Amino acid sequence: DSGVTQTPKHLITATGQRVTLRCSPRSGDLSVYWYQQSLDQGLQFLIQYYNGEERAKGNILERFSAQQFPDLHSELNLSSLELGDSALYFCASSVGLSFPHEQFFGPGTRLTVL
Amino acid sequence: DAKTTQPPSMDCAEGRAANLPCNHSTISGNEYVYWYRQIHSQGPQYIIHGLKNNETNEMASLIITEDRKSSTLILPHATLRDTAVYYCIVRVGGGGGADGLTFGKGTHLIIQP
Repeated sequence: DSGVTQTPKHLITATGQRVTLRCSPRSGDLSVYWYQQSLDQGLQFLIQYYNGEERAKGNILERFSAQQFPDLHSELNLSSLELGDSALYFCASSVGLSFPHEQFFGPGTRLTVL
Repeated sequence: DAKTTQPPSMDCAEGRAANLPCNHSTISGNEYVYWYRQIHSQGPQYIIHGLKNNETNEMASLIITEDRKSSTLILPHATLRDTAVYYCIVRVGGGGGADGLTFGKGTHLIIQP
């Protein structure tokens, strides 16, 4: 158990819909990262937040957005969903920005878009 | 971040040492080598990291060649639970900021009973 929690575990929805994935980092961790894992693209970094502020962006689509709240939990919002958005979405956390940036991953949310 | 090359798959007998190679010939002086693994659709798990010295922890050992162009992750006594995809990642160390990890395709290690 990494200490990172994600809800829900599974999510099934239809094209065009909007969903929200939630992540609670390990106690004391200020950085939260979101990753997407699909069969064709592999594991890809989407976005990072540090202490409530956006810190780094990866291959995140404009239809996707995220935020980190004062209690440090984070939400990833996916809108106008397409079939290709079906994937595993992982959240990870780390203590902060200082080296060595070891990241602890949650169990993931499996999103299925029908 | 420097690019890494790993074999797509490897087999190892249970109880034997599993040696997973990684080539990172374009690594620069301030880049560290990290290893993560992912057990069947679970979240990736950090294993170990190093710069130029060999490193060991309770999970594994990391051997980095003197020229730092390649490294080997060693699981000393592999068990069936070590069956996973192992990712070698090279990234800049030091302070000043962190961003996401860049995962390649990794090596699918299969431990045979």
